[in-house]
Amino acid sequence: QQPVQSPQAVILREGEDAVINCSSSKALYSVHWYRQKHGEAPVFLMILLKGGEQKGHDKISASFNEKKQQSSLYLTASQLSYSGTYFCGTRGGSNYKLTFGKGTLLTVNP
Amino acid sequence: EPEVTQTPSHQVTQMGQEVILRCVPISNHLYFYWYRQILGQKVEFLVSFYNNEISEKSEIFDDQFSVERPDGSNFTLKIRSTKLEDSAMYFCASSLRGAGDTEAFFGQGTRLTVV
Repeated sequence: QQPVQSPQAVILREGEDAVINCSSSKALYSVHWYRQKHGEAPVFLMILLKGGEQKGHDKISASFNEKKQQSSLYLTASQLSYSGTYFCGTRGGSNYKLTFGKGTLLTVNP
Repeated sequence: EPEVTQTPSHQVTQMGQEVILRCVPISNHLYFYWYRQILGQKVEFLVSFYNNEISEKSEIFDDQFSVERPDGSNFTLKIRSTKLEDSAMYFCASSLRGAGDTEAFFGQGTRLTVV
């Protein structure tokens, strides 16, 4: 069952912040975040494991609430290069596949 | 930096024909995957492969599809008797382990157009 992402799309001005949410109805082992620019491959951003951890990478960070089966991706002081579609991918504990959400289209304007 | 490479970048084929999409995973990775993305839609899992056999497959991966690791470096996806709805971007990915804490690296994709 695919995770649900919200919002579907967001438009920002450079320097603004955004939050992208990912939720699942099934118990999760991990949440993977990817960014995909138009016509390119998904690029790995970060993995969060169950245990409620948070991670950060430059001005992009994420949290994983295992009990709520939710993850959020935080983009602060957005840059033009952040534009793209963000996908969360979820994995249960006993399978190999990543099940991706439908994606959130982020557009950062000057 | 090591990367997953896919060939060809674009393949046009007639409906009913067979196509083989090729991938060279990162050399020390042990788990290999094929994903599909229909234009404008989400990335969908097709199959995972480990130790020369399929470890998991989705409902999409029916008898029309097969995967093979013919030698120590290549990983192929064969689509028999292609249909119009097979038109999509096909991504190969690989990971060092199959565990949920391991990132998967994606290739640049092969755009398959069935006419």
